[in-house]
Amino acid sequence: NAGVMQNPRHLVRRRGQEARLRCSPMKGHSHVYWYRQLPEEGLKFMVYLQKENIIDESGMPKERFSAEFPKEGPSILRIQQVVRGDSAAYFCASSPSADNYGYTFGSGTRLTVV
Amino acid sequence: GEDVEQSLFLSVREGDSSVINCTYTDSSSTYLYWYKQEPGAGLQLLTYIFSNMDMKQDQRLTVLLNKKDKHLSLRIADTQTGDSAIYFCAERDNTDKLIFGTGTRLQVFP
Repeated sequence: NAGVMQNPRHLVRRRGQEARLRCSPMKGHSHVYWYRQLPEEGLKFMVYLQKENIIDESGMPKERFSAEFPKEGPSILRIQQVVRGDSAAYFCASSPSADNYGYTFGSGTRLTVV
Repeated sequence: GEDVEQSLFLSVREGDSSVINCTYTDSSSTYLYWYKQEPGAGLQLLTYIFSNMDMKQDQRLTVLLNKKDKHLSLRIADTQTGDSAIYFCAERDNTDKLIFGTGTRLQVFP
């Protein structure tokens, strides 16, 4: 049973380009969470999704950021017109239900904006 | 708002015990967690404790929870160089989000 898979592991984008980060949850997990870790900081919640639904996006910046978790395929975190301040590690976690005690984290995507 | 605080650094000698402390503010937290992050890696769940428990032990790890003071600690017995990493405390709030502390960097020296 593979863990939470994130790709790419490293992503370099020029300012103004788009970044697409993918997350495949563990088999049987229908809840996905995205977190961002800025250098030398803890993880900050961005968005919580279930299949085809956004449950909580209170941590998402209002502009340029969007997330989806379609019926088929991975969850996607999309950042349009990236800026240097978007450089960070983006982690995805999944759980089988909202009541489950534990989240499993992926290895993250490290985005560098040049 | 919710806040989780940790000290930034801890340095211990190999073989000694390490104690990493954490304070949180949300009294409605259901679960509290300790995660370990090695350089360039993701987060590994070490252990968790339900909010109605005082203590949980798992091999070298002991978690103590003082709900009255909203204080959580992680004790690592017989600390090894492989334990060097950043340790994050996290609380699960009533909307199922995890609120993380800023992490404690543990350095183990011979």
